[in-house]
Amino acid sequence: DAKTTQPPSMDCAEGRAANLPCNHSTISGNEYVYWYRQIHSQGPQYIIHGLKNNETNEMASLIITEDRKSSTLILPHATLRDTAVYYCIVRDGEAGTALIFGKGTTLSVSS
Amino acid sequence: GAVVSQHPSRVICKSGTSVKIECRSLDFQATTMFWYRQFPKQSLMLMATSNEGSKATYEQGVEKDKFLINHASLTLSTLTVTSAHPEDSSFYICSARDGTSGLNEQFFGPGTRLTVL
Repeated sequence: DAKTTQPPSMDCAEGRAANLPCNHSTISGNEYVYWYRQIHSQGPQYIIHGLKNNETNEMASLIITEDRKSSTLILPHATLRDTAVYYCIVRDGEAGTALIFGKGTTLSVSS
Repeated sequence: GAVVSQHPSRVICKSGTSVKIECRSLDFQATTMFWYRQFPKQSLMLMATSNEGSKATYEQGVEKDKFLINHASLTLSTLTVTSAHPEDSSFYICSARDGTSGLNEQFFGPGTRLTVL
């Protein structure tokens, strides 16, 4: 079973920031938080991952709470092409095991 | 980022035939490859994990004799759906792990849409 809880859907206006929450209250010390997204009929695309510090790359920012029990993915300026299903996944960073996908959040960006 | 390709991208076959799907890592050595299946409006479901040169490990409920996985080289894994039936129609996605980088990143292919008539 997935170790994360995400809202099933969210809406965002084009140009605004999209903040996608994820709860992972049972996360253990060596587990990372990964975010992927899947645009319709395509393979999942890696977005970002982190252990305990906040992370930022060209696609998004990842904010992890101090107790690591939840995180937020931020898309700073959402575009129509960001419409996708976003998956928050917790995984042991060193085990090399498969990513296990939950139901994710369907983000709809509209103009 | 690393590139994973799948072939074919789409296949339609008759019930009872076998279909082979290829997954290739184009610019890295994939020590481990994963196969997922996704039904409409559902999430990805892990089918099996394969390490190069070893037999695949199948998830509970996945028939190993129906879904044959071969990972004979560090850049190629194949999934063969034997005696396909309409209920096997699905989106099949492979993923490859670059075990040499130390980052354990997992890269996904674009998926293969299988339709069994």
